[in-house]
Amino acid sequence: EDKVVQSPLSLVVHEGDTVTLNCSYEVTNFRSLLWYKQEKKAPTFLFMLTSSGIEKKSGRLSSILDKKELSSILNITATQTGDSAIYLCAVAGGSQGNLIFGKGTKLSVKP
Amino acid sequence: DAGVTQSPTHLIKTRGQQVTLRCSPKSGHDTVSWYQQALGQGPQFIFQYYEEEERQRGNFPDRFSGHQFPNYSSELNVNALLLGDSALYLCASSWSLGLAGKTQYFGPGTRLLVL
Repeated sequence: EDKVVQSPLSLVVHEGDTVTLNCSYEVTNFRSLLWYKQEKKAPTFLFMLTSSGIEKKSGRLSSILDKKELSSILNITATQTGDSAIYLCAVAGGSQGNLIFGKGTKLSVKP
Repeated sequence: DAGVTQSPTHLIKTRGQQVTLRCSPKSGHDTVSWYQQALGQGPQFIFQYYEEEERQRGNFPDRFSGHQFPNYSSELNVNALLLGDSALYLCASSWSLGLAGKTQYFGPGTRLLVL
């Protein structure tokens, strides 16, 4: 059965800290790995990583895909209270080619 | 450029009733996928519509059905509602089936509560 596992499930840090969120997957027909940020309702797209693009960076956020270890990390440096959200990892693949999501990591950034 | 829109934002129903949720995709997108997100869980894939046909389906019973219109908008219908159907229902749109890494963009969701 295809699955995506995220850790930790929740995390509390203080402003200015650096955090690393983890995502591991066992998905047949892997196509890509995506990270989303969900604050209230709509998940907003952060990064997509594929075999041809295993590292992405945008401002304080960066992500790396390790195809050997079947995992990815999302790093956030100099965290701000506005980074508080649920971070979802999803893998495109499986028998149906749709997105398979992990349960998410709830990040709380305290002032 | 309008993003993905969904209606209604909130809905309260009782067990056994039927519900219809609506989604308009992002401009330029032709594919709509529906997800169910229970509290504390990641979204789970329900089905995907492209060219007015259901193309892929997740592990959801036949009580969940859908439709896509010529303007690419979509409906999700759930019959014989159960308490366990209470969740956030998310619609995502993409271009050309949205598979193999094509990015899906999500709408704000419809919060359904079944009493």
